Order: sequence, then structure tokens, then C-alpha cells
Amino acid sequence: SAVISQKPSRDICQRGTSLTIQCQVDSQVTMMFWYRQQPGQSLTLIATANQGSEATYESGFVIDKFPISRPNLTFSTLTVSNMSPEDSSIYLCSVEDRGRDMNTEAFFGQGTRLTVV
Amino acid sequence: GENVEQHPSTLSVQEGDSAVIKCTYSDSASNYFPWYKQELGKRPQLIIDIRSNVGEKKDQRIAVTLNKTAKHFSLHITETQPEDSAVYFCAARKYGNKLVFGAGTILRVKS
Repeated sequence: SAVISQKPSRDICQRGTSLTIQCQVDSQVTMMFWYRQQPGQSLTLIATANQGSEATYESGFVIDKFPISRPNLTFSTLTVSNMSPEDSSIYLCSVEDRGRDMNTEAFFGQGTRLTVV
Repeated sequence: GENVEQHPSTLSVQEGDSAVIKCTYSDSASNYFPWYKQELGKRPQLIIDIRSNVGEKKDQRIAVTLNKTAKHFSLHITETQPEDSAVYFCAARKYGNKLVFGAGTILRVKS
């Protein structure tokens, strides 16, 4: 099963600035996923990051606001650009890997709690 | 696309009682239905999942049932304990597609 390290774990940022979140996986994976979890809400997929190609964004999310890099099969970054208080949320990266029963399941990083002031 | 509805949004039970959380999905082609537990400030973790070729799966005190005809699936927790208190999310997807999550259920187990 994949082990995911995500950093920073939390940050407080000024509006108008940008924050880059890093996600490192201990194994090579084809796709990495970035989610947003607003306070008390469910997980919403922002985009899927594939190595060697542009990320695929979900409806309501655009590359200019959430640029993503995927330089290799174990690492990805998500940048939250030109932040406003509405961007205050938890951002999670996720991968799919074989779980304990050898079936594919989703694993999550510990999340980045972002507060924009 | 897929849409997943989850009920109830909050659930309080007495320690030792059972808890049931229900989800419905819209895409009849969906074939994978996981359940995640998220404790406060922590990452979501898979607790059980079911695929469309089975109707029920059990793992100690937790079980999941799937009714493909009605397009709903449920999480059952028996003999609840205080450490079961958390937010539970259901999800659904078909092969090759993204996971779509339900809105979540806050479970409180009172001792």
C-alpha cells in the first residue's frame, strides 16, 4: 500500500499570494489526484495529474488558479494561486494502489490545511 | 456523471448499539463502492469496500451491503464503540472513472 507524504501540513497565507503543496509517494503511480475539502464538507476532486502530460481538471477548477506539476511517477505539486479567503480549505493528494486485500484502493495524504487571511 | 447521496448527515448512537449509513448512486454502470472513515484532523482511510459482483461484505464489526437494482449501498457498524466516532464518507465509481464522494455522515457514539 502506498505511503503519501504531503507538505506543508498547514499554512496561513495572505490574500493575493500563492502556496505550493507537495505530495511525495513511496512508490511509482500512474495517476495522482488532488482534492479540496472545505470545512465540514466532502471531498471534491480538483484535478488528476499524469506524468508527462497536462493535468485534467474537473468542472469549476482551472489551470490558472490551480497549476499542477507532475515531474515524475512519485511526486506532484499543486499551487493555489492568487489566494482569497474562499480558498481556505484542506487540500489532499491521493493515489491508487494495491491495498491489504490486493485490490486497488485510494490512499490519501495527511492534507494541507490552508487559511487565507 | 455520477451523483452520490448520503444519509443521514449526523447520527448519534449509544455505545453498543448499531449504526447504519445509507448511500444512493445514479450511474448504473458504477461497480466500486468504498467507505472511508475520517477522524478529526486526519486523512480519510478506507474501512471497507464492495464491488458490484457481490451483495454483502463483512469485516469484523463493519459490513457493507449493495443493492444494484435499487442503486443503493449501506454501511453497518455493530457494537459501536467511542472510537467509531468520526465522519464517514461513501463513494462510487465505474472502472476508469473518478471516485465521487457522498456528503459525509458525522457519527457520534455516546458512552
